[in-house]
Parts: sequence; structure tokens; C-alpha cells
Amino acid sequence: GENVEQHPSTLSVQEGDSAVIKCTYSDSASNYFPWYKQELGKRPQLIIDIRSNVGEKKDQRIAVTLNKTAKHFSLHITETQPEDSAVYFCAASGSTGFQKLVFGTGTRLLVSP
Amino acid sequence: DADVTQTPRNRITKTGKRIMLECSQTKGHDRMYWYRQDPGLGLRLIYYSFDVKDINKGEISDGYSVSRQAQAKFSLSLESAIPNQTALYFCATSEPAGEQYFGPGTRLTVT
Repeated sequence: GENVEQHPSTLSVQEGDSAVIKCTYSDSASNYFPWYKQELGKRPQLIIDIRSNVGEKKDQRIAVTLNKTAKHFSLHITETQPEDSAVYFCAASGSTGFQKLVFGTGTRLLVSP
Repeated sequence: DADVTQTPRNRITKTGKRIMLECSQTKGHDRMYWYRQDPGLGLRLIYYSFDVKDINKGEISDGYSVSRQAQAKFSLSLESAIPNQTALYFCATSEPAGEQYFGPGTRLTVT
């Protein structure tokens, strides 16, 4: 089955810096790659997703890139702000179903003022 | 998001007890999921249901069972709770090709 690895496990940046979180997946048939943000004590919420027919997607300060050949995808956050501090999870759909997600182990991002 | 609710929000129980966690949604989604979250392990899929008559095991279904009582309700049961089932449990819903919406979570402690 699908396996998703996520790095780094923790990331500390200064406000205004950029942050990059990387994920690799094993199943070449995966075609949907969402990113979720989980603030402390809250539920995970989708922040951006990308499908296998595009290589990059942007939404204001957030972007995701996908390299299907290398089987990796990354989350880029520019001009980080303290409210970006949270745990971020990547996920991949796997070949068994578009909505059956396999999650990475999470990255704790800390943005210091 | 009040559209996906979970009860109870917190539960402490003893080893060997049967526990049921409930999930309800008002989004009208056919697809529902149960995940378990442990520190450092991310979210792992326990069971999922693509409609009322369709129930599937996820990656860590041993020790758990589910019931899909209606489109809007999906319950998770621990038949005989054990301490390593202590975790944060999330229910989620989705449309066939859309994002998953998570409930607020249930923190379960098995002593």
C-alpha cells in the first residue's frame, strides 16, 4: 500500500522567513495530494491540495509543488506569520481510492516573532 | 465546523470495557471516515464508509468495529478497550472528489 514520509518533523523559522515541508510517497498511482493544518487542540483543516495533472498550485502565501517522476511534493509558505504556527500534515490518495488518504507523520512549524 | 460533530469529546475508561464513539454530520456527504491520531504518527485510517451499505477496513482496524446507522451517522466501537488504544480519534466526511472535513475529535484514555 501507499506510504508517505514527511520531513522535517519540526521546523523553527523567524517571522517573515519562508518555510518548506517535504513529503515523498511510494504509490505511483496516487493522484491527489492535500495538505492539512492542525492548530493546537483543533481539528485538521485543508489548506491546499494538488492533483496529479498539475505541477504547482498557489494560494496567496501558500504553494504546493508536485514532482510525479520523483514521487515527492512540497508545501511552501512565504512571509511566515506567528499564526502559521501549527502542525502540518501531507497526505496522498493511494491507488485504492481517490479519497482514501494516507497521511504523513506531521511537521510542527514554529514561527517566532 | 459544527457540520461534523463527535460525542463524547473526552472519555476515560478502564481496560476491558466496551466503548462507542459517535459521529454525526449535516453536510449530506456519503463518505465517512474514522482516524486515530497519536503523537509522532500522524493520522491513521481505522475504517471508512463510502455509503450506508459500504464499510471498509483501514490500515489499523484490529480491535475496532464500526456501524453506519444512516448517511449522517457513523459510530466507532472498541469491543474491549486496551491502554494502547489511548489516542485522539477523529471522524471525517467528504464528497467523492472533495476535501475531507474533520470533526472536533474525541480524546480517549484507557486506564
